[in-house]
Amino acid sequence: EDQVTQSPEALRLQEGESSSLNCSYTVSGLRGLFWYRQDPGKGPEFLFTLYSAGEEKEKERLKATLTKKESFLHITAPKPEDSATYLCAPLPQAGTALIFGKGTTLSVSS
Amino acid sequence: SAVISQKPSRDICQRGTSLTIQCQVDSQVTMMFWYRQQPGQSLTLIATANQGSEATYESGFVIDKFPISRPNLTFSTLTVSNMSPEDSSIYLCSVGGTGVGGYTFGSGTRLTVV
Repeated sequence: EDQVTQSPEALRLQEGESSSLNCSYTVSGLRGLFWYRQDPGKGPEFLFTLYSAGEEKEKERLKATLTKKESFLHITAPKPEDSATYLCAPLPQAGTALIFGKGTTLSVSS
Repeated sequence: SAVISQKPSRDICQRGTSLTIQCQVDSQVTMMFWYRQQPGQSLTLIATANQGSEATYESGFVIDKFPISRPNLTFSTLTVSNMSPEDSSIYLCSVGGTGVGGYTFGSGTRLTVV
């Protein structure tokens, strides 16, 4: 059975303190991986799709990377507005739903 | 990517009653997905709704409790039936594969059962 594990479950940072979130998976035939951000009381918001090992994508203070077994979401010099839950999910077969990890809840204090 | 309008955004319901949640998409999509997010938890898939056929339910979810309608390619409803406090959750709909933006989610319905 495919499994997605995110760590840590919760992360508290000071503003400007860079860190990384991890998404590891045991997925047969991984076709890619999604990263989403979810704010409290809202639906998940798309951040990145990574398709192959070695691929990197950036958006503002976020950079996502992918290896054969895991993905990292690097947060550089975070700000309080980066506080959210970050979710990863393997790219599914066509016509099927996303299955998310449990997420990492990030809190950034000023 | 698609835009989804989900309503109601929140509701407080009496136990034993039912609530129907609606999702309207601004483009035609084949598959729609319904999720539940219990407090402090990640999203759990309830069912996949394909227009013109019965919804497919995940283990632990049954049609009598969560009937789904999918009358056309832009609309779906999820009903939470005979509610109990354990049904208090956020319910979300989603569509997928509509563009480079991955899967799109509605804003969620926060349900509280008292």
